[in-house]
Amino acid sequence: EIVLTQSPATLSLSPGERATLSCRASQRIGRYLAWYQQKPGQAPRLLIYDASIRATGIPARFSGSGSGTDFTLTISSLEPEDFAVYYCQQRDDWPLTFGGGTKVDIK
Amino acid sequence: QLQLHESGPGLVKPSETLSLTCTVSGAAMRSDTYSWGWVRQPPGKGLEWIGSIYAGGPAYYNPSLNSRITMSVDTTKNQFSLKLISVTAADTAMYYCARRYPHDFDYWGQGTLVTVSS
Repeated sequence: EIVLTQSPATLSLSPGERATLSCRASQRIGRYLAWYQQKPGQAPRLLIYDASIRATGIPARFSGSGSGTDFTLTISSLEPEDFAVYYCQQRDDWPLTFGGGTKVDIK
Repeated sequence: QLQLHESGPGLVKPSETLSLTCTVSGAAMRSDTYSWGWVRQPPGKGLEWIGSIYAGGPAYYNPSLNSRITMSVDTTKNQFSLKLISVTAADTAMYYCARRYPHDFDYWGQGTLVTVSS
């Protein structure tokens, strides 16, 4: 199965700062990567699909990039509601797999 | 507005069968444009895909659970279901149902916590 490794595990930042989250795949997956945001007590929410396409209603401060094995989620300027856990997920091959998550918390 | 809602027992005994149903409202499940899936999350841990199924047929299961899972769809009731046999404490988790369209999980249920304990 394709293993997704997210780094860092925790990112401590202040509101207004830029967040850069990484997801690395154990083999090439083209651009078949999605990003999800999860807040405590809530279901995940789709942010980005196909590596760089924002899902419906997602603010422009969220952007995704990458292809092959290395992917990045960038939040250009953190808003208070952006402090959460972020997961990447690949759909290149079965089984679908998720990364272990990056927690973005308030510094 | 599409909504998904999980239902089922919150407590299951070890070695017994976990059965969950997801009721979909706001869209018909009949279309094969969508698939329907289950994702679980043990307390304090990350997300694990369990399986996905199309209304018209094929189901895809996580090999780590393959021998214990059955998923089914009832389009007349707009529901899909998960059965997981021979559960252990390791199956304790929040279970989410979700729609996959066209390729990613764009709508999720609120989740239901299932605890495996005697």
